Amino acid sequence: DTAVSQTPKYLVTQMGNDKSIKCEQNLGHDTMYWYKQDSKKFLKIMFSYNNKELIINETVPNRFSPKSPDKAHLNLHINSLELGDSAVYFCASSHWGSGELFFGEGSRLTVL
Amino acid sequence: GNSVTQMEGPVTLSEEAFLTINCTYTATGYPSLFWYVQYPGEGLQLLLKATKADDKGSNKGFEATYRKETTSFHLEKGSVQVSDSAVYFCALRSGGGADGLTFGKGTHLIIQP
Repeated sequence: DTAVSQTPKYLVTQMGNDKSIKCEQNLGHDTMYWYKQDSKKFLKIMFSYNNKELIINETVPNRFSPKSPDKAHLNLHINSLELGDSAVYFCASSHWGSGELFFGEGSRLTVL
Repeated sequence: GNSVTQMEGPVTLSEEAFLTINCTYTATGYPSLFWYVQYPGEGLQLLLKATKADDKGSNKGFEATYRKETTSFHLEKGSVQVSDSAVYFCALRSGGGADGLTFGKGTHLIIQP
């Protein structure tokens, strides 16, 4: 009965490949986010969506493309992976306007 | 822009010690303030929050008071346990809608038995 679930949990791939991370929430929230956590645990917002509409798009390379097929899903596709993309990617969700975010367990991406 | 500054870690304490993790912020307007905790191998979860000046958030023995005059939101616990070992993040939200949170860099807390 996981509230925010991400797949896969671990992803090891070669430079130049394309990969996707999927996220689903069953909390009935209308807002979803992607955060990147680097090796020093620093968390930075990448994107936020409300009702499938992109709200925040921080200074993220356009190799990263989020897609929200419906309110409960927010996927992240990454093209032409680079070494610097190695990180843990967290999906989160909330009600619109709330600072209480519910996080998934994270997807650890390692680019070799 | 918004920013959150936390004390650098790791912070190592013995069980039953008193804990303080400092957090100060810079923000426009009147932000809401949060502490999130990340246990090993898990995502972040909300620990406590305060939405206006002088509010005190509390949960699981942890407390933090929103101090507008010092722009601070320090986390305290009177007697820590080994199970409190985790990374603690101070965060703020000053906008509306889907602005998300601005996080500090996190403080790794290690409690030794």
